[in-house]
Amino acid sequence: GESVGLHLPTLSVQEGDNSIINCAYSNSASDYFIWYKQESGKGPQFIIDIRSNMDKRQGQRVTVLLNKTVKHLSLQIAATQPGDSAVYFCARDKGTALIFGKGTTLSVSS
Amino acid sequence: DAGVIQSPRHEVTEMGQEVTLRCKPISGHDYLFWYRQTMMRGLELLIYFNNNVPIDDSGMPEDRFSAKMPNASFSTLKIQPSEPRDSAVYFCASSSPVGTSGVGNEQFFGPGTRLTVL
Repeated sequence: GESVGLHLPTLSVQEGDNSIINCAYSNSASDYFIWYKQESGKGPQFIIDIRSNMDKRQGQRVTVLLNKTVKHLSLQIAATQPGDSAVYFCARDKGTALIFGKGTTLSVSS
Repeated sequence: DAGVIQSPRHEVTEMGQEVTLRCKPISGHDYLFWYRQTMMRGLELLIYFNNNVPIDDSGMPEDRFSAKMPNASFSTLKIQPSEPRDSAVYFCASSSPVGTSGVGNEQFFGPGTRLTVL
């Protein structure tokens, strides 16, 4: 089926810890995956993307891992900061459009 | 670039009224998407355009919803008549065929229009 889901709706971490947000997908034909961050009252903001021919991709303090065998995607945030508090969405491609998961709320405490 | 621009940011209307939401995509982007976000259903794609032409409107919930893109810099989403269950945040997003990440054509979202239908 066409679904993109996240394992946990909420995640609480301490400032400075590493955060891992997980996502599972069901459509093995998906070629492109993307992570978005949405702060309260704002639109989703692009974080990082990855193609199915990649296993890992790194950005600034963020890493996306793709395990095609188990259809699992994760976002790792290093040295989490209070400004990272937001809702994080994974999405997969459906042709040109994107199918979004429900989101994980990340709360960072000082 | 100012990013994707949406107006109004907030709209409160009464059931049965016509509502028009507006979007200006990022200059040079040839794809435009309309999404709806609710707590229950998350982010749902309603319709998207390529070079001003509607490509997929299968997400439009009912005939009460219509979208147009008269030119490359402007799109509207209209609800007529509006109903309380249409209350949501409506986002517009745009993308270019090449993208900027070097991996894919990521979509850039506007700030959204929060619609409340009483």
